[in-house]
Amino acid sequence: AQSVSQHNHHVILSEAASLELGCNYSYGGTVNLFWYVQYPGQHLQLLLKYFSGDPLVKGIKGFEAEFIKSKFSFNLRKPSVQWSDTAEYFCAVNANTGGGADGLTFGKGTHLIIQP
Amino acid sequence: EAEVAQSPRYKITEKSQAVAFWCDPISGHATLYWYRQILGQGPELLVQFQDESVVDDSQLPKDRFSAERLKGVDSTLKIQPAELGDSAMYLCASSLSGSASYEQYFGPGTRLTVT
Repeated sequence: AQSVSQHNHHVILSEAASLELGCNYSYGGTVNLFWYVQYPGQHLQLLLKYFSGDPLVKGIKGFEAEFIKSKFSFNLRKPSVQWSDTAEYFCAVNANTGGGADGLTFGKGTHLIIQP
Repeated sequence: EAEVAQSPRYKITEKSQAVAFWCDPISGHATLYWYRQILGQGPELLVQFQDESVVDDSQLPKDRFSAERLKGVDSTLKIQPAELGDSAMYLCASSLSGSASYEQYFGPGTRLTVT
């Protein structure tokens, strides 16, 4: 079974600051990795995903994440945050067995607050 | 843009009562998931359907929870009897079938409060 650890539960930054949210996973096989975001009052939506190829993936709204296999990590980054990035961020994984679309295992989430 | 529909959005029930949630996935999405999200936690998978068949219900508390997707389209999740610890957000998601890398699209959720 997989598990996901997000180290920062609450992060407060000022606008224009750089962001890095940590995510580590535990699983012995190949995984697909995801970052989801939940803006206040809205649904969970996908920011970006990695399943193969270039370990540096770019998502929506200027976010990117880097998969480091040796560290079992998939940290989310953004060079300059905006007030509108205030949201809850979830890292998630599922097993890449070449089979069906498995359910996701989520981390506990990081509540990000951007101060104007 | 197509969305996953869920109803009701909010539900308050007394413990020991029965409660049911409904989900209508995006048209054409054969895979449907129910997740439970306790406040301050990430979503946890309860059950996964491929068309009308259950693929994974290993985390579903089967003594009180049941889920069905009779025609392989919409789905119902039921709790009977509800307990105080069931208070949570219940999320439905859907995806195309065939690859674990396909994006899961989430609905707005049903917030359940058990009193």
